[in-house]
Amino acid sequence: DTEVTQTPKHLVMGMTNKKSLKCEQHMGHRAMYWYKQKAKKPPELMFVYSYEKLSINESVPSRFSPECPNSSLLNLHLHALQPEDSALYLCASSREGGKDSYEQYFGPGTRLTVT
Amino acid sequence: GQNIDQPTEMTATEGAIVQINCTYQTSGFNGLFWYQQHAGEAPTFLSYNVLDGLEEKGRFSSFLSRSKGYSYLLLKELQMKDSASYLCAVRPYILTGGGNKLTFGTGTQLKVEL
Repeated sequence: DTEVTQTPKHLVMGMTNKKSLKCEQHMGHRAMYWYKQKAKKPPELMFVYSYEKLSINESVPSRFSPECPNSSLLNLHLHALQPEDSALYLCASSREGGKDSYEQYFGPGTRLTVT
Repeated sequence: GQNIDQPTEMTATEGAIVQINCTYQTSGFNGLFWYQQHAGEAPTFLSYNVLDGLEEKGRFSSFLSRSKGYSYLLLKELQMKDSASYLCAVRPYILTGGGNKLTFGTGTQLKVEL
């Protein structure tokens, strides 16, 4: 099983709402990632978790709050978002890093629209 | 800073060969990845280079020259389904805290025509 699943596929939320994006993998990967991707642009790294601990926060605004409750799950909690936060949010996972290749496997993404 | 450049768009004919270039100037280098992304879908891994030279995988090959900060992805026997965006990504350094940080290039939109 080389699948990363994400829910929901689409999400529309108002600027005062609180919502969560969910990501799951069962490949035994101990590194998980959140990316943001705008139309016709490459993915931009937001957060990296390694062994359920936050390894990187790419100076992401606090209205995005990641959580890794266990080695298979990754959440992204959203509150007080702005319209410019509308994008495709991609989750990825990989075997633990280091010098080996350990490519990242991406989920299908959540298409987020903030109104 | 990190600077990774790719051509924005390319067009090629079914059955032909196409080469997609990627040049990078990054604060460090610990590997280069190529991903394919169809519209509305997740990126999928194609290849990885960390040493100079050519890596071949079926119809896809990837080349790296670290001294020139240059890589290319070669696609042979093009098929219509190869129409997609191709993303070059550099791993500038190994994370001491774990995981892999990738910086993606701008992506090349490839259109395969009959």
